[in-house]
Amino acid sequence: GESVGLHLPTLSVQEGDNSIINCAYSNSASDYFIWYKQESGKGPQFIIDIRSNMDKRQGQRVTVLLNKTVKHLSLQIAATQPGDSAVYFCAENRGNAGNMLTFGGGTRLMVKP
Amino acid sequence: EPEVTQTPSHQVTQMGQEVILRCVPISNHLYFYWYRQILGQKVEFLVSFYNNEISEKSEIFDDQFSVERPDGSNFTLKIRSTKLEDSAMYFCASSDSGKGNEKLFFGSGTQLSVL
Repeated sequence: GESVGLHLPTLSVQEGDNSIINCAYSNSASDYFIWYKQESGKGPQFIIDIRSNMDKRQGQRVTVLLNKTVKHLSLQIAATQPGDSAVYFCAENRGNAGNMLTFGGGTRLMVKP
Repeated sequence: EPEVTQTPSHQVTQMGQEVILRCVPISNHLYFYWYRQILGQKVEFLVSFYNNEISEKSEIFDDQFSVERPDGSNFTLKIRSTKLEDSAMYFCASSDSGKGNEKLFFGSGTQLSVL
């Protein structure tokens, strides 16, 4: 059936290409950011995080860039594979004591073989 | 790798009925959370829980909601009288710290359908 609610932006890439997913956050007080991957019917899966005292962090095939000046976060996936197809969410921790995360709207990544 | 487990995976209930969603957080974690995701929408924070107390809660978490850690392993979310708009995927999460910069591990969720 047709889903209602937010229409997710979609990024379609060819297998083997690099992917860049962007996220804008709103709160200057946010000091911790996480990228999550969500496959259909599953919970958010941690990919990579970055603290506000850094502007770049690398993992295995993934890199997160943080630009605090313009409040922008990006996730770069190298050599994108079909298994990377999912919805990607950025989340920010606004410096509150309860470790509450505020999630962005998500981007759907589709990898074409 | 340790994981957060949730039961049931799907729950169908009639409006006005009580439901209890169950979660087993990662065993050495001390901080527990419930989030929900209405179909096609963002993941939204409901509540955080530490040391048998609610640490923080959102506006969504009204008097119809409650959380409990009934024993050393389970963490539950109860909705006293369900409404149609409670239909959503409910995710439990846990972390080993609540400092505000620790990653949360999420379960696979319980899809709640209120008819």
